[in-house]
Amino acid sequence: ETGVTQTPRHLVMGMTNKKSLKCEQHLGHNAMYWYKQSAKKPLELMFVYSLEERVENNSVPSRFSPECPNSSHLFLHLHTLQPEDSALYLCASSQEGYEGTQYFGPGTRLTVL
Amino acid sequence: AQSVTQLDSQVPVFEEAPVELRCNYSSSVSVYLFWYVQYPNQGLQLLLKYLSGSTLVKGINGFEAEFNKSQTSFHLRKPSVHISDTAEYFCAVGIRDTDKLIFGTGTRLQVFP
Repeated sequence: ETGVTQTPRHLVMGMTNKKSLKCEQHLGHNAMYWYKQSAKKPLELMFVYSLEERVENNSVPSRFSPECPNSSHLFLHLHTLQPEDSALYLCASSQEGYEGTQYFGPGTRLTVL
Repeated sequence: AQSVTQLDSQVPVFEEAPVELRCNYSSSVSVYLFWYVQYPNQGLQLLLKYLSGSTLVKGINGFEAEFNKSQTSFHLRKPSVHISDTAEYFCAVGIRDTDKLIFGTGTRLQVFP
């Protein structure tokens, strides 16, 4: 599935670093999502953007900062992360109001040292 | 509130045997139902979905699922599995008129030769 791409695929960073994850969707969708996937836990919805406006923030720590400059691009800016933030970060997109089907990217495997 | 339960965290099975992965949900409102598959080092891929109509839904790779409203279940089945079906399988509930998906914790299907 190449409809949703994510870069980088792997990222290792120290706790004092600042980095960004990028997501791009080529499906013409108008809603985009960030999820965190940790071992043995359900997918955690972090942020939802609909029509480029943030509509949901599930009490995510401020060290995660999303940005959605247009309907095709979504960023997750990271700073002063903790080791427990190490996880697979998944981006998804959907057409708002249409069935709720979400299409996922391959994810970014983040390791915080 | 909505919730999804996947009772089996792991399901080992021999190649060419049938398999059933169980999913039960709880919701006070009308929902959509999804099964996603995640192969190693990849994002989630949609297997099949139930929106309305026929309770038996056919998906990709020979999988099917049956919606049972009275038992609030949406079990996934395949009559004969292949080694390549080894992956993590996620059941999800989508709330109608929203774009929110709630995921189960996943079931690891391990197919042995």
